[in-house]
Amino acid sequence: DIQLTQSPSFLSASVGDRVTITCRASQGLSTYLAWYQQKPGTAPKLLIYGISTLQSGVPSRFSGSGSGTEFTLTISSLQPEDFATYYCQQFKNFVFIFGPGTKVEIK
Amino acid sequence: QITLKESGPTLVKPTQTLTLTCTFSGFSLSTSGAGVAWIRQPPGKALEWLGIIYWDEDKRYSPSLKSRLTVTKGTSKNQVVLKMTNMDPVDTATYYCAHSLFGYCSGSSCATFDNWGQGLLVTVSS
Repeated sequence: DIQLTQSPSFLSASVGDRVTITCRASQGLSTYLAWYQQKPGTAPKLLIYGISTLQSGVPSRFSGSGSGTEFTLTISSLQPEDFATYYCQQFKNFVFIFGPGTKVEIK
Repeated sequence: QITLKESGPTLVKPTQTLTLTCTFSGFSLSTSGAGVAWIRQPPGKALEWLGIIYWDEDKRYSPSLKSRLTVTKGTSKNQVVLKMTNMDPVDTATYYCAHSLFGYCSGSSCATFDNWGQGLLVTVSS
């Protein structure tokens, strides 16, 4: 079974910082790699799909990249509304898998 | 505009079967490529995909929970039902349903969950 890990699991950052979150897989992944943002008490929100395509309405400060077993989500300039937990998600062999999440908090 | 909403019991006893309904609007589950998935999240923990039903009645389940899960289309054409047997306190979680596309989604958010319900917290306790 494919396992996803995310690093870091927690990060403390300031408004304006550049933030990078990494999602690694135990084996090679398909291009069906997505990222979600979740704020407390709310449902997750799709940010990026297909590794690097921004979902409609998502600010351009979010970007995604990667291939094979390592993928990244980058926030170019952290804004107050970006403090949340971020999850990667993979789809392979008709199974969906989520990463364990990265919590981004205010420094 | 796609909307989804989960409904069902918020408290179930151990060993009981949980039945949740997802009522949706803004899309048709008869449209090629459309799917409705179930995802859960224990308090303070990560998301876990449970299962999905597609427009063509194809159903897929989490390998670790497959023996306990059934996802079906509801009696209304805009509903999907999740059944999970033999509930245990570790199954306490917020249960979400979500819209997904696969197979007929070139240029769209294939194999993701692009619209979610608000979630329903289900507690398993005697």
